[in-house]
Amino acid sequence: QVQLQESGPGLAKPSETLSLTCTVSGYSISSGYYWGWIRQPPGQGLEWIASIYYTGNTYDNPSLRSRATVSIDTSKNQFSLKLASVTAADTAVYYCAKGARVAPNYFDYWGQGILVTVSS
Amino acid sequence: DIQMTQSPSTLSASVGDRVTITCRGSQSISSFLAWYQQKPGKAPKLLIYKTSTLESGVPSRFSGSGSGTEFTLTISSLQPDDFASYYCQQYNSHSPYTFGQGTKVENK
Repeated sequence: QVQLQESGPGLAKPSETLSLTCTVSGYSISSGYYWGWIRQPPGQGLEWIASIYYTGNTYDNPSLRSRATVSIDTSKNQFSLKLASVTAADTAVYYCAKGARVAPNYFDYWGQGILVTVSS
Repeated sequence: DIQMTQSPSTLSASVGDRVTITCRGSQSISSFLAWYQQKPGKAPKLLIYKTSTLESGVPSRFSGSGSGTEFTLTISSLQPDDFASYYCQQYNSHSPYTFGQGTKVENK
């Protein structure tokens, strides 16, 4: 059974960089598929942030104006998100998820989510 | 970006009702549409992909249909466990994937 778990600080200061890690168990991320980050501001809908393939190939949401960087560490079976220059608008629950195919993707397994608040 | 618009935003229904949620795209996405269910404080759960394919373990009362720009999620007989929010997501192209704004199914 594939399981994903987000980790990282629950608080970030404005203008700083938010850093999160997703640890995958039950599946080797180097076996394939894209791995993604999706966020949900409190009381709002879902927004895809970025996805990464085990080879390091990435896609990100242009709405974030290149503030998002995703990386992958196959030796630790983890992938990570860095979001630069955060503001209060970046306050959200951040989910990591597994893409269901090697192509434009929907997501079949999700982490439980981690709330990140941006505040001074 | 391809915009996805769901309707209604909120739907009041009773156990046993037939429920239909619509998702419209701002341009054609072929059949590359998924549906998720989300309960408060929980991660979304995949229900349907490629418009009408049920994810393993999802009850058969859920079904999806459509193509191009208009899609529907139908719950044939609403059960107590189905009160939740539902989101559509297009994956016609990598950048960017977009979700509908969500439909909350509440108890009438």
